[in-house]
Amino acid sequence: DGGITQSPKYLFRKEGQNVTLSCEQNLNHDAMYWYRQDPGQGLRLIYYSQIVNDFQKGDIAEGYSVSREKKESFPLTVTSAQKNPTAFYLCASSIVEDPTGGFWIRNSPLHFGNGTRLTVT
Amino acid sequence: GESVGLHLPTLSVQEGDNSIINCAYSNSASDYFIWYKQESGKGPQFIIDIRSNMDKRQGQRVTVLLNKTVKHLSLQIAATQPGDSAVYFCAETPSSASKIIFGSGTRLSIRP
Repeated sequence: DGGITQSPKYLFRKEGQNVTLSCEQNLNHDAMYWYRQDPGQGLRLIYYSQIVNDFQKGDIAEGYSVSREKKESFPLTVTSAQKNPTAFYLCASSIVEDPTGGFWIRNSPLHFGNGTRLTVT
Repeated sequence: GESVGLHLPTLSVQEGDNSIINCAYSNSASDYFIWYKQESGKGPQFIIDIRSNMDKRQGQRVTVLLNKTVKHLSLQIAATQPGDSAVYFCAETPSSASKIIFGSGTRLSIRP
């Protein structure tokens, strides 16, 4: 079955350490995203990527970094600069209807992984 | 299990009744809307979508209604089952933007 795999499901780190969350998809989607979810809040966009070797900052990119070396993979690094890293992190992907630009995600629903719960103490 | 929303609005319905979950969206320029279901410990799952040139769309046991005049979206679930227990999110995509805006969600609980 096609889908998005996030690993690990639970991750524990000490404050001051960087940590990388894995996201792999076999849906052949061009676009991938990272969201953060906190209790009682909607999903907030961290980074997104339309195509390999290209990515853009979302609303809350500070303290995070990403790479997109392969179409199927979009790892997220939570750095020690992120002030409140404890959260539930969700990776998603979608098709790109207009790869030349424009409103490329407007008519495509996101497909989500099952998340990684990161706890930093 | 995971708690994705400790202080979310909650809707409690009797098993077998219909559920109506409401969402007020923020941008009058939004032209594409999606409902997602999120079960405890899992990622959001796509339920149904609707474009702004429609005011109603039906799926299997679900109906989405769009009222652009008052910027209101609703999700109706027919004959609610225990498996429908989850947090439901609406999402909108403004025509002037290239990102999706998510609401904070409503928790649906089912009484036996």
